[in-house]
Amino acid sequence: KAGVTQTPRYLIKTRGQQVTLSCSPISGHRSVSWYQQTPGQGLQFLFEYFSETQRNKGNFPGRFSGRQFSNSRSEMNVSTLELGDSALYLCASSPDGSYNEQFFGPGTRLTVL
Amino acid sequence: DQQVKQNSPSLSVQEGRISILNCDYTNSMFDYFLWYKKYPAEGPTFLISISSIKDKNEDGRFTVFLNKSAKHLSLHIVPSQPGDSAVYFCAARPGGSQGNLIFGKGTKLSVKP
Repeated sequence: KAGVTQTPRYLIKTRGQQVTLSCSPISGHRSVSWYQQTPGQGLQFLFEYFSETQRNKGNFPGRFSGRQFSNSRSEMNVSTLELGDSALYLCASSPDGSYNEQFFGPGTRLTVL
Repeated sequence: DQQVKQNSPSLSVQEGRISILNCDYTNSMFDYFLWYKKYPAEGPTFLISISSIKDKNEDGRFTVFLNKSAKHLSLHIVPSQPGDSAVYFCAARPGGSQGNLIFGKGTKLSVKP
């Protein structure tokens, strides 16, 4: 079974731009969660999608948004990028949100200049 | 305000000895705790979990202990192996929540041959 894939793996943007990151979950998984990892804050939960609906949301500004498609693939969008948005963005998929069956992708490393 | 704290950023242990990684939390409503392992350039991998109704869970060389009165959990790895060298994240789930985990900042474990 193929694992969770994230594209692109690396991205460099400038302040004020917007970016879209993509996550393809494991086949059959309906839950996709997104996390931001920074050295200072560790992993922080962004949001979770289940069956195309946002089921849970973390404490991030509205510049961070996401969506999920009918094939469970998910995208995350960050608008008006700030320097502090530089981070590793991880997505995780699971059949229904169960943590012991949650698998993480390798992440997208976003650098904002 | 960090709800899940891993106060030791790093730990070095000799091969064959016990590794003990610690985690403290502040929210008594957490009902599920997990440990993840992360290698460089990879996403976190689920390692072991424990429900708040238990005080110990064991899986091979890995044992997690939960002390609810002290709001403290620990991960024991016995015996430690060089391949265990990684960053270990403690995570907790707010009660009744799906897809939302609160992570500590991680402890980097180095197991020396």
